[in-house]
Amino acid sequence: GNSVTQMEGPVTLSEEAFLTINCTYTATGYPSLFWYVQYPGEGLQLLLKATKADDKGSNKGFEATYRKETTSFHLEKGSVQVSDSAVYFCALKARGNNRLAFGKGNQVVVIP
Amino acid sequence: EAGVVQSPRYKIIEKKQPVAFWCNPISGHNTLYWYLQNLGQGPELLIRYENEEAVDDSQLPKDRFSAERLKGVDSTLKIQPAELGDSAVYLCASSLTGGADTQYFGPGTRLTVL
Repeated sequence: GNSVTQMEGPVTLSEEAFLTINCTYTATGYPSLFWYVQYPGEGLQLLLKATKADDKGSNKGFEATYRKETTSFHLEKGSVQVSDSAVYFCALKARGNNRLAFGKGNQVVVIP
Repeated sequence: EAGVVQSPRYKIIEKKQPVAFWCNPISGHNTLYWYLQNLGQGPELLIRYENEEAVDDSQLPKDRFSAERLKGVDSTLKIQPAELGDSAVYLCASSLTGGADTQYFGPGTRLTVL
């Protein structure tokens, strides 16, 4: 079936550090890939997406590239801020299936 | 533009009691979703509505869970009777259509069953 795997554990880093959160997927065909972010006390928000191989999604300084050969969609940001502290979820939607499959999420804590 | 509205935000009940959650989607959104999010996990779809029709309810435990979306706008998710394992966050989301990539999520209802 369709599934998403995110790296284990929370991520703690200092302000202005480089952030990477790994995401790999299993799916039939060519799914659309997403990163959602959940700030404390708020609902999930779409951060960025990519719908085909080699597409790069970007938003608010975050980027992720759809890598078909490694079935990955890693999230990166060059210089994080305290306001980036949140939970980040990788997700996929397979072609012909309107159901989103989410990873477990990663808590990111940015320390001033 | 108002986002997806859910109420209540928090609910504490004793096991075997009934509970209901309400969702008002973004105006004009035909598709409505209910998700279950357990602690430390990603959301899992319970049911999806296209207008007033439930088109994907394969993940809904129908022995105790029920949902409705009368008139294709607001929706209610009910649990009767609640069990300890139902403690979780219940998320509602909506999108323009079922095929749309972007789903807009509400803040969720955190249920605690004692």
